[in-house]
Amino acid sequence: SQTIHQWPATLVQPVGSPLSLECTVEGTSNPNLYWYRQAAGRGLQLLFYSVGIGQISSEVPQNLSASRPQDRQFILSSKKLLLSDSGFYLCAWSVPYRGSGNTIYFGEGSWLTVV
Amino acid sequence: QQQVKQSPQSLIVQKGGISIINCAYENTAFDYFPWYQQFPGKGPALLIAIRPDVSEKKEGRFTISFNKSAKQFSLHIMDSQPGDSATYFCAASRRDFGNEKLTFGTGTRLTIIP
Repeated sequence: SQTIHQWPATLVQPVGSPLSLECTVEGTSNPNLYWYRQAAGRGLQLLFYSVGIGQISSEVPQNLSASRPQDRQFILSSKKLLLSDSGFYLCAWSVPYRGSGNTIYFGEGSWLTVV
Repeated sequence: QQQVKQSPQSLIVQKGGISIINCAYENTAFDYFPWYQQFPGKGPALLIAIRPDVSEKKEGRFTISFNKSAKQFSLHIMDSQPGDSATYFCAASRRDFGNEKLTFGTGTRLTIIP
C-alpha cells in the first residue's frame, strides 16, 4: 500500500531564517506530487506540483520554492521566511495518467509558525 | 473562473439531524467534484466524489447532489453523528495537460452537538 511521510510535524522559525520541509511517498512510482498551504478561512491553496524529477510548476508567486530531487521525494524551501509564510503545509500525491478524477492523498501536514 | 465557492463557513447540527454544505463553481471545464473531510491536526481525506453525468451519489450516510445547469453541488450528511465533526472541503478538478489539480472551497467547520 502507498504511504506518504511529511516532516517535521511542527516548527517555529524566526523571520529571515531558511525553511526545508520534506515529503516522501512509498509504494508507488512516478506519482504526481503537490505542496498545499492551508490558512484559516482560506481553504487549501496549491503552491507547487510536480509530474516528474526536476519538473516543478508554481501556482502562485511567493517566497517559497520546491524541488524534486528523486522520484518520490518533494521538498519545500525558503531562503528567508516571512511572517506571512506561517500556516499549515500539506504534501500530497496522486496517481498520474488515469484521467480526471484522480484521488489526491494528503500527508499529515506541517505546522509552521514564523515569529 | 477557477473559484469554488463554499457555504456556510461553519455549521452546528444536532445529533441525528441532516447537515448540508453547498458549493458553486463557474468553470464549465470542471469534470470531477470530490469532497474531503479533515479532522483537526490531520490532512484532508477523500470522503465521496461525483462526476457531472449523474445528479446524485450516495455512500452510506453521505450523499452528493449535483445540479449541472446551476453549477452547484452539495453534501448531505444524514443522521449526523458527533464523529462527523470535522472540516469539510468541496473541490473541483479538470484535466490540465496530463496533470490534475484540485481547486478547493474555503471549507466548512461542522460541529455535531449531542
